[in-house]
Amino acid sequence: DTGVSQDPRHKITKRGQNVTFRCDPISEHNRLYWYRQTLGQGPEFLTYFQNEAQLEKSRLLSDRFSAERPKGSFSTLEIQRTEQGDSAMYLCASSEGAVGEYFGPGTRLTVT
Amino acid sequence: GENVEQHPSTLSVQEGDSAVIKCTYSDSASNYFPWYKQELGKRPQLIIDIRSNVGEKKDQRIAVTLNKTAKHFSLHITETQPEDSAVYFCAASRGSGGGADGLTFGKGTHLIIQP
Repeated sequence: DTGVSQDPRHKITKRGQNVTFRCDPISEHNRLYWYRQTLGQGPEFLTYFQNEAQLEKSRLLSDRFSAERPKGSFSTLEIQRTEQGDSAMYLCASSEGAVGEYFGPGTRLTVT
Repeated sequence: GENVEQHPSTLSVQEGDSAVIKCTYSDSASNYFPWYKQELGKRPQLIIDIRSNVGEKKDQRIAVTLNKTAKHFSLHITETQPEDSAVYFCAASRGSGGGADGLTFGKGTHLIIQP
């Protein structure tokens, strides 16, 4: 499968716990994006990497959120001290040059 | 920041008829406008995109038009089929191919194709 992949696909956690998600972009894509989508809404931009450099972060990305892309390949998104409001689908996308953003299947997070 | 408005929120058309979804954006620096189709429980799928140096783009039954002066762009689907039923999102950004920032999405249009 040469598309964007994400792991895990589903995560249920208790409030206050930390969670980490992984995204593997399309192999030749140097840009990687994280979005959050809640039911009935469009995806909301969280952060963006070009290679290993994190170039932009949305104001939605509170101090409890951190993202890394250490070698310019896969990326991780960590949420510390989860809150019920963090429950959402977390989507990763990648792109290269003039090619548009292609999304992964997402990680559905449920905070109980 | 960018703000994208999308209308209508729900659109029901008879199979075989055309469907049009409209979006407006606020940031005059935006120059990349993709459209995504999302079926229930699935990832957003890029179906067509347009850049600011082009006024119209067509791919089989799908076309997108852009009016930079008015800051609006539209998706046109002709000869609609049942498999076109989905939620469609428009989006805008300052660049794909130039870096800059991520996409700002509209709230989506639920397209229903009536048999």
